[in-house]
Parts: sequence; C-alpha cells; structure tokens
Amino acid sequence: KAGVTQTPRYLIKTRGQQVTLSCSPISGHRSVSWYQQTPGQGLQFLFEYFSETQRNKGNFPGRFSGRQFSNSRSEMNVSTLELGDSALYLCASSLLPGGASYNEQFFGPGTRLTVL
Amino acid sequence: GENVEQHPSTLSVQEGDSAVIKCTYSDSASNYFPWYKQELGKGPQLIIDIRSNVGEKKDQRIAVTLNKTAKHFSLHITETQPEDSAVYFCAASRETSGSRLTFGEGTQLTVNP
Repeated sequence: KAGVTQTPRYLIKTRGQQVTLSCSPISGHRSVSWYQQTPGQGLQFLFEYFSETQRNKGNFPGRFSGRQFSNSRSEMNVSTLELGDSALYLCASSLLPGGASYNEQFFGPGTRLTVL
Repeated sequence: GENVEQHPSTLSVQEGDSAVIKCTYSDSASNYFPWYKQELGKGPQLIIDIRSNVGEKKDQRIAVTLNKTAKHFSLHITETQPEDSAVYFCAASRETSGSRLTFGEGTQLTVNP
C-alpha cells in the first residue's frame, strides 16, 4: 500500500510569490491534515479537510489556504510568501477525522519550502 | 487552546539503557495522546498512542504512561538501540477537534553504541 505522497519535495520561491503544494493520501483515507514544521515553532496545525470540507483551521493568516478534491487529494496554497514561511510542510492522512488508535494519522515526507 | 510541553529537548543514552521523555498538557478535554518518531528527511511516524481511559500501554520495548489528574504522559524506551536515535514528539488531541494534533517541541534522542 503506497504511503502519503507529497509533491514537490523541494521548492524555492522568492518573497511575494505564491506556491501550491500537493498531497495524495493513502488510498481509502478521506481525512487530510496539513502541518508546518519549523525549528523555532515546531509542528503546528494548519488545517484539516474531510469530504472536500475544511473541518478545522489553525492559527495561521489567511494567506494560507487549502482545498480537497473528490478523490481526497489535497492542495495547500500560500500567497504573498514571506521569509518566515520557509518550513517543512507536512501532510497527514487518516481514514476519518479524529484521534484514535484505529484511526492513525500517517504523515508524508513533506515539502521543504525555502523563501528567499 | 491546548499547549503541550515536552522535556528534555535532547537526551543522550548508552546502548542498552532506558530513555524517558515527559510531556504535560493543558487542556483537560484532551483524550488522545500519540507519540511520533521522526527520522532525518522523513515525516513523523506513529510509534505508540494512548487514550485517556487507559493508564499505561506497552508495545515491546516501548511503553507510554498517562496521569490524567496531573495532565502528564511519558514515553519509556527500554534496551535502547542505535536505530532508536531520532526526534520524538508527543502530541495531544480532543475529540471535538477532529484530527488536529498539538505537538510538543520534540526530543532529540541519541543512542551511543
């Protein structure tokens, strides 16, 4: 069974640009969550999608947005990039929303975004 | 919102020794506590988890304990091996927050051969 895949793996952008990251969940998984990982702030929750609807949103500015398609694949977009947006962006998928042993969240390898 | 604190930030042990990592959480409504291991260049991987109605859970060399009253939980790794070297994260979530996890700051565990 293929794991969570994220594309691209590495990305370099300049300030002011926008970027779109993609996440393909494990087959059959319908919940997709996004996290930002930085050395200073650690792992922070961005948002969660289930059945093409955003169910939860973290404390990030409106420049961060996402969506989910009918096949459960998800994209996140960051507009007007700032230097502080440089981070590893992780996607996680699970069968359903909710934390439980039967509903493990599987993380992808992440997309390393560098903003110059 | 939930806040999770994790200690220590770095831990170095000799192969075969035990390692203990501790976390405290602030939201008494949190009811699910997973632990993740992250190796270089990879995403976090779940190694063990515990729900709030259980005090202890064990899986081979790894165990987790939970004290709901004190709002803290711990990861115990026995007979450590060099391949246990990684960054470990604790996390907490509540039922009404879907899959949203609040993570601790992470512990860099180094197992010296």
